[in-house]
Amino acid sequence: AQKITQTQPGMFVQEKEAVTLDCTYDTSDQSYGLFWYKQPSSGEMIFLIYQGSYDEQNATEGRYSLNFQKARKSANLVISASQLGDSAMYFCAMREPWMDSSYKLIFGSGTRLLVRP
Amino acid sequence: ETGVTQSPTHLIKTRGQQVTLRCSSQSGHNTVSWYQQALGQGPQFIFQYYREEENGRGNFPPRFSGLQFPNYSSELNVNALELDDSALYLCASSWGTGASPLHFGNGTRLTVT
Repeated sequence: AQKITQTQPGMFVQEKEAVTLDCTYDTSDQSYGLFWYKQPSSGEMIFLIYQGSYDEQNATEGRYSLNFQKARKSANLVISASQLGDSAMYFCAMREPWMDSSYKLIFGSGTRLLVRP
Repeated sequence: ETGVTQSPTHLIKTRGQQVTLRCSSQSGHNTVSWYQQALGQGPQFIFQYYREEENGRGNFPPRFSGLQFPNYSSELNVNALELDDSALYLCASSWGTGASPLHFGNGTRLTVT
């Protein structure tokens, strides 16, 4: 069964500095996808970035980048130039193939990031 | 474009009662999924609807049921509520059933007393 592990329950970072949130995954599939979502206190899950298992380049979206190390089965999120608004829960998730071409997301337990001014 | 909207935002029910949660998909999306997020945990997949039919279910009992309507809006129904059903319920929509990212709503926080 697929599994996502986030070992950092909480992280602090100074405003304007970079921070790395860890994510490791376990799967026997050759084709898979990894997502990062941000969840502010409002509850909404905000999609940040996606990495496909066959993508050769690390995904980047603005200040977010994904450090994808396939052999180590890790997909760490790097946030550059942290802002106060980055304070939130961050979830790593894996796409698990479902019936036909459908899929569901398997989520990790999350990392709470607090940005200090 | 209009995002995913859920109603109500908060709900308090008594054990044994029934509840209906509603979701309007993002414009152009024809697939809707429901997730349950207990306090301090990541979301857990409940089920998914595509073209008004359930096409995937997680480890949730039959008292969790749903509907998807022709306009792609959706309902989550929970019968015989239990205390452990207290959670944030998230609706997510996407186009098709492929690799497109799920777009989530703000959720409905259900408290069962």
